[in-house]
Amino acid sequence: DAGVIQSPRHEVTEMGQEVTLRCKPISGHNSLFWYRQTMMRGLELLIYFNNNVPIDDSGMPEDRFSAKMPNASFSTLKIQPSEPRDSAVYFCASSLQRGSTDTQYFGPGTRLTVL
Amino acid sequence: GESVGLHLPTLSVQEGDNSIINCAYSNSASDYFIWYKQESGKGPQFIIDIRSNMDKRQGQRVTVLLNKTVKHLSLQIAATQPGDSAVYFCAENITPGTGGSYIPTFGRGTSLIVHP
Repeated sequence: DAGVIQSPRHEVTEMGQEVTLRCKPISGHNSLFWYRQTMMRGLELLIYFNNNVPIDDSGMPEDRFSAKMPNASFSTLKIQPSEPRDSAVYFCASSLQRGSTDTQYFGPGTRLTVL
Repeated sequence: GESVGLHLPTLSVQEGDNSIINCAYSNSASDYFIWYKQESGKGPQFIIDIRSNMDKRQGQRVTVLLNKTVKHLSLQIAATQPGDSAVYFCAENITPGTGGSYIPTFGRGTSLIVHP
């Protein structure tokens, strides 16, 4: 398996532009997580899905952020409009919830720079 | 641009030494713990996990110790190698109810530097 796939790996954009980050989870996994990582705040959970349904989006910073999971093999995280403070590395992770334990597998991340 | 953040705790060791990375967790209800390794430019990778009904678990060159009394977790790496250089995170979880998901709470991380 190729693991969790994210695209793009790097994104540089200007303030006010729309940014869309993409994620393909590991085939067969039923949970998907979006994280943001900065030096200031560490690794923060933004939102997670179970069986394509958003369960908890309390970590989403504000209405400028939205996430979708139209099917089991694809999810997007959108920022509109983007701001310089959104600059961070965004990770997608997936897992197979099996009841007794859980391991999240992380993608390589998207490094976002908003100028 | 991004603000300058807090520096991570750093552990510097010589190749071949044993390393011990410590983590204090916050929630006494947490019952499942995971250590992750994050190399530069990559996402966190699972190393080893432990449930709260255990106080020690061993893997290949790694051992995790759990002290629930003081809410402390440690990761021991034997015969540390340059390839072990990375940031190490501990994560605490609470076993979810039926249909729920494990949602880890990550620590800030410790940077391990291994000198050849």
